[in-house]
Amino acid sequence: GAVVSQHPSRVICKSGTSVKIECRSLDFQATTMFWYRQFPKKSLMLMATSNEGSKATYEQGVEKDKFLINHASLTLSTLTVTSAHPEDSSFYICSARVFGEETQYFGPGTRLLVL
Amino acid sequence: AQKITQTQPGMFVQEKEAVTLDCTYDTSDQSYGLFWYKQPSSGEMIFLIYQGSYDEQNATEGRYSLNFQKARKSANLVISASQLGDSAMYFCAMRELPYSGGYQKVTFGTGTKLQVIP
Repeated sequence: GAVVSQHPSRVICKSGTSVKIECRSLDFQATTMFWYRQFPKKSLMLMATSNEGSKATYEQGVEKDKFLINHASLTLSTLTVTSAHPEDSSFYICSARVFGEETQYFGPGTRLLVL
Repeated sequence: AQKITQTQPGMFVQEKEAVTLDCTYDTSDQSYGLFWYKQPSSGEMIFLIYQGSYDEQNATEGRYSLNFQKARKSANLVISASQLGDSAMYFCAMRELPYSGGYQKVTFGTGTKLQVIP
């Protein structure tokens, strides 16, 4: 199956700093990547859809300036949490879709803790 | 209204027994896809099985099978011969037709926590 990696796996930062999370498709080209957020014991909430070479499409209620998404190549998308605050602490998980397939393959996730 | 409903927040099953995890969905689209994912305590989401709305046969992948009842809008996951490693959260999800921009949006249910008892 397709492999998606995320880096870092966990990060602790101070309030007010920015954090960048990388999502890579290792053995396939992903024209579309997705970013989700998951609170403890809750379901996944889609934050945005990232298309290579174009602006990300954000879901209603997700702040574009807060969560910057860049999809510069067919194998890499990044999520930057700008001026992080404690309420941004969460589990962030990306997924990628293989062109022509239905399935989204997920990365291992990144646990963010903002102090 | 919830698009994906998983009514069982938690389930127990004896090792080697079969278990069914319920999932119902709501859509007015004729074409859609249904997925099941497994999330162990480590957090990664593991794809298990996929069923297309036009697939006539129920999907099967090893010990996993999807009991697809289109008229009832249900897509239950059946795990046969449960193993201790099956203990995890299980999420049902649905992809509806792309409505703009050509991308797929997948909606997840709230999940069912399965615990396999030795």
